[in-house]
Amino acid sequence: AAGVIQSPRHLIKEKRETATLKCYPIPRHDTVYWYQQGPGQDPQFLISFYEKMQSDKGSIPDRFSAQQFSDYHSELNMSSLELGDSALYFCASSLDREGTQRTEAFFGQGTRLTVV
Amino acid sequence: KQEVTQIPAALSVPEGENLVLNCSFTDSAIYNLQWFRQDPGKGLTSLLLIQSSQREQTSGRLNASLDKSSGRSTLYIAASQPGDSATYLCAVDTPLVFGKGTRLSVIA
Repeated sequence: AAGVIQSPRHLIKEKRETATLKCYPIPRHDTVYWYQQGPGQDPQFLISFYEKMQSDKGSIPDRFSAQQFSDYHSELNMSSLELGDSALYFCASSLDREGTQRTEAFFGQGTRLTVV
Repeated sequence: KQEVTQIPAALSVPEGENLVLNCSFTDSAIYNLQWFRQDPGKGLTSLLLIQSSQREQTSGRLNASLDKSSGRSTLYIAASQPGDSATYLCAVDTPLVFGKGTRLSVIA
């Protein structure tokens, strides 16, 4: 079965550079979530999209932005990178049945971002 | 604000033991609860999803229960194996709010 695909798997950037992470959800899933997981930490919710519209916003810095495209893939854009942005970034997808009966959320393998 | 707590933070058991991982959440008005497994540096693998109207779910040697009114869930692992060694995360609602996980080591 198709899973959530994230690219790239690894990324090394210098401080103040920009990075773009991509997420391809499971086919027919209409909701995408982005999470950040620092070393030894639990995943922290950044932002989500339902049917290409932003549905929820968590602890996403103003330096970051995201969108969901017409083919349902999503991109997380990160600018003015800081050392503290080094983390695993996960994308997840699910099928949101009118907001009350969300199906199982499946996560991608993540993008490991290292800022040097 | 929803908060999720997992106890214990770490657990080491000999192979073959049955074990219970605990999860509690502060806001009982949840839609669903999901248990995940995470190997070091890897992604999150979904183990079980319990809808708010359900009391438990089973998958192989795993059984998860949900008591919404008391804000608790347990993950029961039967006949543990070394391959079960990982961090187990509990998460509630939409978007998912995670606990800090239980790091499980099963010793052969």
